[in-house]
Amino acid sequence: DSGVTQTPKHLITATGQRVTLRCSPRSGDLSVYWYQQSLDQGLQFLIQYYNGEERAKGNILERFSAQQFPDLHSELNLSSLELGDSALYFCASSVASSNSPLHFGNGTRLTVT
Amino acid sequence: AQSVTQLDSQVPVFEEAPVELRCNYSSSVSVYLFWYVQYPNQGLQLLLKYLSGSTLVKGINGFEAEFNKSQTSFHLRKPSVHISDTAEYFCAVSEGRGGGSNYKLTFGKGTLLTVNP
Repeated sequence: DSGVTQTPKHLITATGQRVTLRCSPRSGDLSVYWYQQSLDQGLQFLIQYYNGEERAKGNILERFSAQQFPDLHSELNLSSLELGDSALYFCASSVASSNSPLHFGNGTRLTVT
Repeated sequence: AQSVTQLDSQVPVFEEAPVELRCNYSSSVSVYLFWYVQYPNQGLQLLLKYLSGSTLVKGINGFEAEFNKSQTSFHLRKPSVHISDTAEYFCAVSEGRGGGSNYKLTFGKGTLLTVNP
C-alpha cells in the first residue's frame, strides 16, 4: 500500500461531460503529481502541485485543470470530454525533492463513450 | 530536456532465466534514475533508484541496475526470474537540482516482461 488514495477507481461517462478525479497524498507528502497513462502515449506527466501551488506543467490540455487544497488533497477536473481522453489517470505524491521517489495511487480508469 | 528510451517494448523469458531490461536516457545535467514496476490493475511502485555513489544499485525482489554514465544507460537485471515478475517495468529520470520543490519525473514507454513456465 503506497498510502496514496485515488477515487473513484472507475468512471464511465459520455463525450462532452465533465468529471472530477480525487487524490489524497501519502501522509507528510506536500507534492502531488498527475499522470495520464494510455496505450499509445504511455505515461504522460500532466501537472504538479506543491503545498497548494502549481509548480510544473506538462502535457495538460486546456480542458483539464487541477488544484491542491489546504488539506493537501488534489482534484483533477476534466471537461468537454472526448473519446481520446479515455485512459488511466494516476496521482502520485512525494516530499518533492528531485531525488525523492514518487508514490503512486492505483489510478482512476476513465472510459468516455 | 531529459528523455528516456526503453529499447524493448516486450521481453518474453522462461522462468529461472536471467533477464535484462534496457534503458537509455539523455539529459544535459546530472540525473537521478529510477525503475518502477506496474503489476496489472495497480499503480507504479519503486523497484530501485540511483542517486549517487556506487553505480550498481540493488532493489526489491532481487532486481539490480547499473548506472553507466559514458553510455547514458541504466539497465535493469535479474539473474533468475519468477512467474510473479510478470509486469510492466518503467525506467524514469529526473534532473538533479540538489533539492527543490518543483521537478518532473520523465518515464520511458515501458517494457512488458512476461515470464513463461
